[in-house]
Amino acid sequence: AQSVTQLGSHVSVSEGALVLLRCNYSSSVPPYLFWYVQYPNQGLQLLLKYTSAATLVKGINGFEAEFKKSETSFHLTKPSAHMSDAAEYFCAVSDLLTGGGNKLTFGTGTQLKVEL
Amino acid sequence: NAGVTQTPKFQVLKTGQSMTLQCAQDMNHNSMYWYRQDPGMGLRLIYYSASEGTTDKGEVPNGYNVSRLNKREFSLRLESAAPSQTSVYFCATGLGGDGNIQYFGAGTRLSVL
Repeated sequence: AQSVTQLGSHVSVSEGALVLLRCNYSSSVPPYLFWYVQYPNQGLQLLLKYTSAATLVKGINGFEAEFKKSETSFHLTKPSAHMSDAAEYFCAVSDLLTGGGNKLTFGTGTQLKVEL
Repeated sequence: NAGVTQTPKFQVLKTGQSMTLQCAQDMNHNSMYWYRQDPGMGLRLIYYSASEGTTDKGEVPNGYNVSRLNKREFSLRLESAAPSQTSVYFCATGLGGDGNIQYFGAGTRLSVL
């Protein structure tokens, strides 16, 4: 089964600073990878998705992620943090299920704090 | 469009009580999923329905049952709630197939005392 590992359960940055959230995957074949964001007391919202069409993937709210096969990584970045970016971020990998569904296997999440 | 609607938003149960969590989607998706979220563990798949009329166990199915009532609705039932089932439950929908996006409801926060 495929898996993802998120390094750092809590990350704190200053407003305007670079955001870097780390995700490494374990897969024997090119995976489908996702980043989701969860704001307090809400469901998960898709930020971006990697599908092998391009190694640099741009998402919503100025976020992007780069797929690096040599490092088995899919780190999420944003050049300049905003207070509204404070949330929990999840990396996930897709697995095909019996009957045609797909299971998302999530990392344990990274809580991003943005300070003034 | 409401997207994915979960009811109730909050629930407190006593050990041994039963309840059903409801999920409805208006996105015309074939596949529906139930996940639970626990601190430090991410989300884990409980049950899924790849298409109307089918259901299958996920990673942590013990203590739960599901019903795919029609294409729109997928319910999760706890027959005899236990404190270990205290969690946040999320319903998700998607087109199915590898790599497809899943869309999540706002969640149900369940406490079992």
